[in-house]
Amino acid sequence: SYVLTQPPSVSEAPGKTARITCGGNNIGSKSVHWYQQKPGQAPVLVIYYDSDRPSGIPERFSGSNSGNTATLTISRVEAGDEADYYCQVWDSSGDHPVFGGGTKLTVL
Amino acid sequence: QITLKESGPTLVKPTQTLTLTCTFSGFSLSTSAVSVGWIRQPPGKALEWLALIYWTDDKRYSPSLRSRLTITKDTSKNQVVLTMTNMDPVDTATYYCAHSPNSGSYFYFDYWGQGTLVTVSS
Repeated sequence: SYVLTQPPSVSEAPGKTARITCGGNNIGSKSVHWYQQKPGQAPVLVIYYDSDRPSGIPERFSGSNSGNTATLTISRVEAGDEADYYCQVWDSSGDHPVFGGGTKLTVL
Repeated sequence: QITLKESGPTLVKPTQTLTLTCTFSGFSLSTSAVSVGWIRQPPGKALEWLALIYWTDDKRYSPSLRSRLTITKDTSKNQVVLTMTNMDPVDTATYYCAHSPNSGSYFYFDYWGQGTLVTVSS
């Protein structure tokens, strides 16, 4: 089964740039999607197809994917961005979706 | 506008079977490439995908839970039902259903239900 590895936590000061990574074997060959989950709420899709933003998601959210690492970048971090973030790909060998373990973003 | 809502018991006893219903609107599960999945999240832990049903009625299950899960759809009622047998306290979690507009390598969930907390306890 395909494994996605995320750092448990990332911290950044308001106004700075936060980067959350998602590691996987040759993940650059896959399409990576990112979800934001605030406490007590359902996950929300913030990035799909590596770098596309759904309607209503601020341009401050961007994504990239190459080699063995995909990255969610949040520019000009705000207090409201504090949340858990999950990456997700399709495991083609198992023919099912896979989630990473999640990263808690703390805005200092 | 796509919405999904989970319903079912909030408390089940160990060894019982859990039945959850996802009632949705704004799309049809007979539309090409559309699917509905179930995902759970134990308190304080990560998301875990459980099962998926496609517009074709094709189904996928988590390898680790395959023997305990069954997913079905009722297209006329706009519902997807998940059953999980032999419930255990470790199955205590918030259970979500979610919509996907794609299949295969480009699969992602674009709309989620609010989730329903299921506690397993005697």
